[in-house]
Amino acid sequence: KAGVTQTPRYLIKTRGQQVTLSCSPISGHRSVSWYQQTPGQGLQFLFEYFSETQRNKGNFPGRFSGRQFSNSRSEMNVSTLELGDSALYLCASTRGSGYTGELFFGEGSRLTVL
Amino acid sequence: KQEVTQIPAALSVPEGENLVLNCSFTDSAIYNLQWFRQDPGKGLTSLLLIQSSQREQTSGRLNASLDKSSGRSTLYIAASQPGDSATYLCAVTHNTDKLIFGTGTRLQVFP
Repeated sequence: KAGVTQTPRYLIKTRGQQVTLSCSPISGHRSVSWYQQTPGQGLQFLFEYFSETQRNKGNFPGRFSGRQFSNSRSEMNVSTLELGDSALYLCASTRGSGYTGELFFGEGSRLTVL
Repeated sequence: KQEVTQIPAALSVPEGENLVLNCSFTDSAIYNLQWFRQDPGKGLTSLLLIQSSQREQTSGRLNASLDKSSGRSTLYIAASQPGDSATYLCAVTHNTDKLIFGTGTRLQVFP
């Protein structure tokens, strides 16, 4: 059974650019959530999608957005990149909605903003 | 506001020792608590999930307990091995339905 797949694994962008990250959940999982991990702030919740609807959103500026497709795959987008957006972006999937079940994480997308 | 703290921040032990990692949270209104392991530069691997109605969960050499009333969870690792070296994170599902992570404990087990 394939795990959670995130692409790309590594990318380098410059300030002002935008980036799109992709997450394919485990087959049968309908909930996808996104997290930002930095040395200073740790792991912070970005947003969660279930059945193509955003159910929850963390405290991030509007430059961070996401969406989920009918096959449960999800993308997140960051526009007008800032140096502080350099981080490891992780997505996780679970079978039901919310966090009542076990979460499975991908390997992450490491974004470097120069 | 829910806050999750892990103590100690770092731990270095010789192989074979039994050890305890601590996680505390400020708001007892949680759905569940999960322990994760993260290797450097990698994603998170789920170790144990404890529902709010449960007191403990066990998997192999790992045992996690939950005391909601006191806002504490412990992860017990028996007979530690060098392969256990990683960062251990606890996370609670708060009643706002968001997952809130602790600050992590970096564990090193040396031969």
